[in-house]
Order: sequence, then structure tokens, then C-alpha cells
Amino acid sequence: GQNIDQPTEMTATEGAIVQINCTYQTSGFNGLFWYQQHAGEAPTFLSYNVLDGLEEKGRFSSFLSRSKGYSYLLLKELQMKDSASYLCAVVDSNYQLIWGAGTKLIIKP
Amino acid sequence: GAVVSQHPSWVICKSGTSVKIECRSLDFQATTMFWYRQFPKQSLMLMATSNEGSKATYEQGVEKDKFLINHASLTLSTLTVTSAHPEDSSFYICSARPTETGNQPQHFGDGTRLSIL
Repeated sequence: GQNIDQPTEMTATEGAIVQINCTYQTSGFNGLFWYQQHAGEAPTFLSYNVLDGLEEKGRFSSFLSRSKGYSYLLLKELQMKDSASYLCAVVDSNYQLIWGAGTKLIIKP
Repeated sequence: GAVVSQHPSWVICKSGTSVKIECRSLDFQATTMFWYRQFPKQSLMLMATSNEGSKATYEQGVEKDKFLINHASLTLSTLTVTSAHPEDSSFYICSARPTETGNQPQHFGDGTRLSIL
């Protein structure tokens, strides 16, 4: 079957750095997305990786290793507004999006 | 950037009422749109894939006669919750991706919070 694993919850301190991991086993691979979802709101797009390596976008970076079936989202200089759920999603061979359950990130002052 | 409009944002109605939710892609064409449901503190659950000009594809366990989907144009999909009951109360979210390629990011509407009394 297809499976996306990410931690259920993480806690970090304002101003610090946090890394949210995602591992996947899917039928084929056509890219991996990270989305941010604040409570009570719809998800918003953060990043897309299809080649191995690190993609940097401001305070957020996303890394992919296709051979390991592994990605992480790195958040730097954490702010209180970064408290949200972070969803990992993989595009499989049929271009269907397979969603992880999300990681709830709690930022403490 | 790409924008998806979802309407209405909130619905509160009596049990037995049918509720229609609209999802529009404002600046791109979308052959495929997706309907999700999310219960409090749970992950997104894909209900169905809406295909322009053809029947929707429903996920296992989703009643197609209860959740009617119509995708009449390349920019509009509608979800109708027929004879809604309190257990249908949830956060319904649509998404769309540009038609050109399958690995474009899905862009989400703002969601519809449905409360059935």
C-alpha cells in the first residue's frame, strides 16, 4: 500500500530552528509537496520537490532524497505565527496526491 | 498567483436540508478538482475527484448519492450534500490544479464550515 509518515506533533521555541521529517512509500513518485494549514483554515502551498536536494525559500527550506523516500521541511527563525500543521503529500505514478496526516507544530515563546 | 474561490464559507441549517458548495478556479482552468472533508483535529480526507464533463470518482466509503458532484465547466465544480444530518457537520475544502500538468500544486479554496442542527 501507499504510506506517508510524519510526526504527529512537535514543539519548538520562538527564534529557533525546527526540522519536520516525512518518509514515504508510494507506487511511483512524481514529486513531493509541503503545505501549511492553520487551525480552521484551508492548506496553503509551501514547496515542491521533484529532484534530490535542498530548495530554499526564505525562512523555509525543503529537502528531498528519492533513494531514501525521505523529505524534510526546515523552518528557521521561528515565529509564533508558524504554529500550524504541516502536511507532506506525494504525487504517485497516477498523479494522485497521497497525503500524510500532518505534523502539528507548537511554537513556545 | 493561482486562486480558488469557495462559497459559502459558513452554513448553518436544519437537518434534512440540502446544501450546495461551489468551487471556482479564478485564473486558471482545472480539468480536475478535488473535494476534501476534515473533522476537527484530523487530517484531510479525500472524498472525491471531480472531472470536468464526466462523472466524479468517489473514494471508498463516500456515498455518491449523498454527496453529488457536478463539474460542468473548466472553472467550476459543485458539491451538494443532500438531506444533510448532524453527522455531516464538518469542514469541506475544495482544491484545483491547473490542467497543464499533473504535478502542479493543488490550490485550495478557503473551505466551507457546515453545521447541521
